Amino acid sequence: EPEVTQTPSHQVTQMGQEVILRCVPISNHLYFYWYRQILGQKVEFLVSFYNNEISEKSEIFDDQFSVERPDGSNFTLKIRSTKLEDSAMYFCASSDLPGPEQYFGPGTRLTVT
Amino acid sequence: RKEVEQDPGPFNVPEGATVAFNCTYSNSASQSFFWYRQDCRKEPKLLMSVYSSGNEDGRFTAQLNRASQYISLLIRDSKLSDSATYLCVVSSGNTPLVFGKGTRLSVIA
Repeated sequence: EPEVTQTPSHQVTQMGQEVILRCVPISNHLYFYWYRQILGQKVEFLVSFYNNEISEKSEIFDDQFSVERPDGSNFTLKIRSTKLEDSAMYFCASSDLPGPEQYFGPGTRLTVT
Repeated sequence: RKEVEQDPGPFNVPEGATVAFNCTYSNSASQSFFWYRQDCRKEPKLLMSVYSSGNEDGRFTAQLNRASQYISLLIRDSKLSDSATYLCVVSSGNTPLVFGKGTRLSVIA
């Protein structure tokens, strides 16, 4: 069964450093998403991406964040200058149609020290 | 203002018990409703969609009451493997998924 994959599974970084989280969506999917979940909190939407551009973003997704589809398979989330409060689980998701039938990857746990 | 509210639990039930979770949502324009399951430190996984007419999948039954903006999930004959956090999720068509904080279930032998 096709699945969304994410690397790395755990990333530790120092405050102020840049991180790139990587995702490989399901191959025939066209819509891509990033969500985050701070420990003990709810899953929160960050951004959706379609046809090589951002289609929607939340207020969390400020200028420190960017997304890119650098090639035909990867979808990345970059945080330019990490803060302590960026520590969270980051989930990538994809879907073949716009809307709620989204498939989630296993997540990257980001720890900012 | 919380968009999707759930009782955080935990619900501790013996094997074989029936347990019900409820959820309320604030956005009356919501069109799609789901229950996801999340195991500790894992990704959310779709359990089932929720339809106005109610729907059943094995031991799981979901109900939607649009007038009251209320969603429920009933689990019959609980198994140890049902222990997880159950997330209520809503969406307004093509907009992003909005998650509740989840209700934690522990099924005890």
